[in-house]
Amino acid sequence: NAGVTQTPKFQVLKTGQSMTLQCAQDMNHEYMSWYRQDPGMGLRLIHYSVGAGITDQGEVPNGYNVSRSTTEDFPLRLLSAAPSQTSVYFCASSPTGAFRSAPLHFGNGTRLTVT
Amino acid sequence: GENVEQHPSTLSVQEGDSAVIKCTYSDSASNYFPWYKQELGKRPQLIIDIRSNVGEKKDQRIAVTLNKTAKHFSLHITETQPEDSAVYFCAATPNSGYSTLTFGKGTMLLVSP
Repeated sequence: NAGVTQTPKFQVLKTGQSMTLQCAQDMNHEYMSWYRQDPGMGLRLIHYSVGAGITDQGEVPNGYNVSRSTTEDFPLRLLSAAPSQTSVYFCASSPTGAFRSAPLHFGNGTRLTVT
Repeated sequence: GENVEQHPSTLSVQEGDSAVIKCTYSDSASNYFPWYKQELGKRPQLIIDIRSNVGEKKDQRIAVTLNKTAKHFSLHITETQPEDSAVYFCAATPNSGYSTLTFGKGTMLLVSP
């Protein structure tokens, strides 16, 4: 099992550009989520999904879109990048039906810089 | 929604000392409390978790205690080693609806040899 795979590892964007951060998991987890990590702010939830076709907003959703067409994939789209979106982004997943009391499995992260 | 406060934000100890990190939560319905360790440049990884029907849990040098009445839980690391140096995050989640983990802001632990 590869676990949770995120691509790319690093990305530099100019203000206004759009891009998609990819996340895939091979553990058949129903629950997937995206967090951003900023210094001194911990991990803040952007969007999450409890299964294919179902997504919902987290704490900081503005400027981001998600979709969940398959169980395996949960891409995060930045529509028009802003410097405030410079951050490290983590995708995480959790087992079927138990996400509220089951460990999150994190990907290795994507470091995004917006200039 | 849930609010998790974690302190201290930084903690420096000598090798062999004990380290304690404390978290408080706001939602009395929360019943799952994991702790994650994040080494520099790496992803967060679960080190221990506790559920609300348990007051304490130990795993070798690591222990977590939970006080549901006071709504706080703590991570205890004994006989610290330099490889314990990392950022530690606590989290909490209620068992209702499509709720998700809320994380504390993290504690940077530095263990000096």
